[in-house]
Amino acid sequence: AQKITQTQPGMFVQEKEAVTLDCTYDTSDPSYGLFWYKQPSSGEMIFLIYQGSYDQQNATEGRYSLNFQKARKSANLVISASQLGDSAMYFCAMRGVSGYSTLTFGKGTMLLVSP
Amino acid sequence: GAVVSQHPSWVICKSGTSVKIECRSLDFQATTMFWYRQFPKQSLMLMATSNEGSKATYEQGVEKDKFLINHASLTLSTLTVTSAHPEDSSFYICSARPKLTSGRGYTGELFFGEGSRLTVL
Repeated sequence: AQKITQTQPGMFVQEKEAVTLDCTYDTSDPSYGLFWYKQPSSGEMIFLIYQGSYDQQNATEGRYSLNFQKARKSANLVISASQLGDSAMYFCAMRGVSGYSTLTFGKGTMLLVSP
Repeated sequence: GAVVSQHPSWVICKSGTSVKIECRSLDFQATTMFWYRQFPKQSLMLMATSNEGSKATYEQGVEKDKFLINHASLTLSTLTVTSAHPEDSSFYICSARPKLTSGRGYTGELFFGEGSRLTVL
């Protein structure tokens, strides 16, 4: 069984500052994938970034980077230079060995960016 | 690319009526679609997995006679909430897994619809 834990129900950050959203996971699968999705108030789920468990480097996508620490089983999302439009719910998710396995989601972290 | 459209975006209905929600992959074929339910400020709860041309697989605790899922084609899955009651009011969101046409590794990324907000009076 897989488990995703997001311990921060809410985070506040000022515009232009960096913020880290925490995510820890637990799995017995030898390989797995980790995802971060953004859900604005409108409801749609927006894919942000993906990290494979065997990827040698941490994933980056524009202002998003994933701080992957395999030994600690953590996959924190770092957003650099926060923007007002970053205010949303953020979900960490993982899938098992196969790309065809289902995604397990964490409870989410609400990020509020202030001017 | 990889757009999933969900319709309707919101619906209000009377208790006892049935409501159908559509999930379409617009620019790709989806072998598998997933239906989730999300309560306010909570995470996504997987309700069922539907594969094109076969019966849906429901998660434990989800009533299959209450939530009818049909995946008749590679681009369309529907969720019908039968005899809806106020406790069925929720945000329902679908996601689609693309049909792969190349040998490249698939990360497992899912493409989500915009969601449908159901309110049962």
